[in-house]
Amino acid sequence: EDQVTQSPEALRLQEGESSSLNCSYTVSGLRGLFWYRQDPGKGPEFLFTLYSAGEEKEKERLKATLTKKESFLHITAPKPEDSATYLCAVQIQGAQKLVFGQGTRLTINP
Amino acid sequence: GAGVSQSPSNKVTEKGKDVELRCDPISGHTALYWYRQSLGQGLEFLIYFQGNSAPDKSGLPSDRFSAERTGGSVSTLTIQRTQQEDSAVYLCASSLRGGSPNTEAFFGQGTRLTVV
Repeated sequence: EDQVTQSPEALRLQEGESSSLNCSYTVSGLRGLFWYRQDPGKGPEFLFTLYSAGEEKEKERLKATLTKKESFLHITAPKPEDSATYLCAVQIQGAQKLVFGQGTRLTINP
Repeated sequence: GAGVSQSPSNKVTEKGKDVELRCDPISGHTALYWYRQSLGQGLEFLIYFQGNSAPDKSGLPSDRFSAERTGGSVSTLTIQRTQQEDSAVYLCASSLRGGSPNTEAFFGQGTRLTVV
């Protein structure tokens, strides 16, 4: 069964304290891996798509990386406005739907 | 419009009533998805439309749920005889096209459905 697991469920950091969020996946064939950010009461906001192992993408303080089994979202010197739930999703070969993980709730304290 | 638009933003309904949720995708996007997000749960796939192809309904939880997409644009998700377990945020997303690279999906704000 196709599965996406995110860890940790919740993470509290001090402003400026860098860390990484993990997304591990078990799928029959990966078409793409997506990272989204979701603020309370809002829909998910697209961040990155990764297609192949070794690929990396960056946006401001965020960098996403991909291996054959997992993806990491690295956050460097975070600010309070980076507080949100970060969602990982995979798109499987031959299917159109995205399979989402449960998310990591990130809180950055000033 | 600039983004995916969903209406209403909030809906409270009595158990047993029917509800309709509307989604206006981004102009030019041929792929449209409906997801459900229950409290503390991840996003659950419901249905996918791609152009004029038959929709992928594999995620619909029961025959009380149905969706249509008129003219390849606006979509309506209908829940008949609502139950309390239907309470959730219903999210719509659209993408440029399905089945190829650069198919990132853009989400609307969601409709929060509460069945009392």
